[in-house]
Amino acid sequence: NAGVTQTPKFQVLKTGQSMTLQCAQDMNHEYMSWYRQDPGMGLRLIHYSVGAGITDQGEVPNGYNVSRSTTEDFPLRLLSAAPSQTSVYFCASSPFGPASSYNEQFFGPGTRLTVL
Amino acid sequence: KNQVEQSPQSLIILEGKNCTLQCNYTVSPFSNLRWYKQDTGRGPVSLTIMTFSENTKSNGRYTATLDADTKQSSLHITASQLSDSASYICVVRASGYSTLTFGKGTMLLVSP
Repeated sequence: NAGVTQTPKFQVLKTGQSMTLQCAQDMNHEYMSWYRQDPGMGLRLIHYSVGAGITDQGEVPNGYNVSRSTTEDFPLRLLSAAPSQTSVYFCASSPFGPASSYNEQFFGPGTRLTVL
Repeated sequence: KNQVEQSPQSLIILEGKNCTLQCNYTVSPFSNLRWYKQDTGRGPVSLTIMTFSENTKSNGRYTATLDADTKQSSLHITASQLSDSASYICVVRASGYSTLTFGKGTMLLVSP
């Protein structure tokens, strides 16, 4: 099993550009989520999905879109990149959502994004 | 507001020494607390989970404790190794809620 994979590993964008961060998992997990990690701050939830066709907003959803057409894939789209979106982005999956008592999240290796 | 505070922010210890990392939380009602290890340039990996009824749990050289009364948890690392250099993140879940509260992490550097 590859676990959770993310592409690209690094990306530089100019302000106003759009792009899609890819995330895939091969563990047949229903729950997937996107986080951003900034220096001096904890991981913050952007969007999450409890299954194919179902997505919802997290703590910091503005400027990002998601869709979930398959169980395996959960791409994150930046609509019009801004310098404030410079961050490290992590995708995670788990067999159950956070509401499950024994849920463990499996994180991808991250995408380091810089917006100039 | 649910909060998770970790201390210290960073720590440097010599290889072979022990250390203890702290996690204080205000999440209520409490369900469980999980410690993650995040190596530089990698995603977090779960070390252990503590539920309300558990006081101590070990995973190799890592021992987590939980005091649900004082809302504190600690992660004790015994006989540290260079590979223990990482950020350690405390994550708490509230019972009945679907969101998790993340601490900012403690950056540990084990020096040879």
